[in-house]
Amino acid sequence: NAGVTQTPKFQVLKTGQSMTLQCAQDMNHEYMSWYRQDPGMGLRLIHYSVGAGITDQGEVPNGYNVSRSTTEDFPLRLLSAAPSQTSVYFCASAEGGTDTQYFGPGTRLTVL
Amino acid sequence: DAKTTQPNSMESNEEEPVHLPCNHSTISGTDYIHWYRQLPSQGPEYVIHGLTSNVNNRMASLAIAEDRKSSTLILHRATLRDAAVYYCILPHTGANSKLTFGKGITLSVRP
Repeated sequence: NAGVTQTPKFQVLKTGQSMTLQCAQDMNHEYMSWYRQDPGMGLRLIHYSVGAGITDQGEVPNGYNVSRSTTEDFPLRLLSAAPSQTSVYFCASAEGGTDTQYFGPGTRLTVL
Repeated sequence: DAKTTQPNSMESNEEEPVHLPCNHSTISGTDYIHWYRQLPSQGPEYVIHGLTSNVNNRMASLAIAEDRKSSTLILHRATLRDAAVYYCILPHTGANSKLTFGKGITLSVRP
């Protein structure tokens, strides 16, 4: 199993540009989530999904959209990037009914 | 999630045991205690979790106080690869609980 994969690894955007961060898992996990981590800080939850077709907001959802059309994929969309969204983004998944989450390697995003 | 308190940093010598403390005085009776760690430039990885009894796995041991208001993650022989940020987390009871990460403990390992 590849586990949780994220693309791209690095991305530089200009203010106002849009992009999608990709996340995929091959463990057939029901639960998927997106976190962001700012320098020297812990992770903060952006959005999460408990299954295909179901998404909900986390602690810091503003400026981000998500959808979950399949069990495997959970893309994160930035509609109009802002410098405040410069961060490292982590995707995670978990088997239904458990609290143990598996994290991807992260995407380092810089917004100029 | 119930609140946890951890020291900011700890240092250890290679091949010596390391005890990483966590206080969670507001823990409820059904809260599990989870530990994750984050190696430099990587995503967090699950280490261990427990409810009441002490737990062991290939990575570490988890010692839980009798009143459950504190716990200790034990690395039996620290290696340089164990240098990381260690997070103690109490997911709220329920399936697929959202994890709340604090700043964790930064563990440094001296050769």
